[in-house]
Amino acid sequence: TQLLEQSPQFLSIQEGENLTVYCNSSSVFSSLQWYRQEPGEGPVLLVTVVTGGEVKKLKRLTFQFGDARKDSSLHITAAQPGDTGLYLCAGARGGTSYGKLTFGQGTILTVHP
Amino acid sequence: GAVVSQHPSRVICKSGTSVKIECRSLDFQATTMFWYRQFPKKSLMLMATSNEGSKATYEQGVEKDKFLINHASLTLSTLTVTSAHPEDSSFYICSAPGQGESGYTFGSGTRLTVV
Repeated sequence: TQLLEQSPQFLSIQEGENLTVYCNSSSVFSSLQWYRQEPGEGPVLLVTVVTGGEVKKLKRLTFQFGDARKDSSLHITAAQPGDTGLYLCAGARGGTSYGKLTFGQGTILTVHP
Repeated sequence: GAVVSQHPSRVICKSGTSVKIECRSLDFQATTMFWYRQFPKKSLMLMATSNEGSKATYEQGVEKDKFLINHASLTLSTLTVTSAHPEDSSFYICSAPGQGESGYTFGSGTRLTVV
């Protein structure tokens, strides 16, 4: 059973468009992370959100953690071909110890020039 | 920053043979290592958690005898795919918790192809 529902699974857009990826769960996470992965490489961390309601910005990327810490979103403004890749959300449970990460299904983003 | 070195990056083996994948933590000690499997264009699926000095904990549905995990030291965890079959072909990634900005450091992955 996938505890983190990530949507959409595929996204194909034109350069300059905006997009939002969602991660939803019925469970509470102590933190939620967003990764981007290129083919044949390991995931690269984009951001970690910890506090309910938290919003973090990374250039054209905006990340939000839900108030109840059960959901998160990634919004990309004015997408560029370089944003193409697999985006993964991952939730962690537990306090100070780093337990297992639960990954969403992933979103394959393709940005066409 | 913390680095987990994973080797090999790519391996091709014949059906029936065994393949060992190594993950080493550089400049830090990893008492725990997570092993993931990833199919093309899919997300990471946790296979098992290795613990230094004790038996690994496998996720439901993962064959312990097929995927042998050893965590012999504080800096090395290995995954051995035994009697490999074409369906074992996949991308395998390790991750050590407790380091870096996210608290998790990922290896660069191993592409296993069984022919």
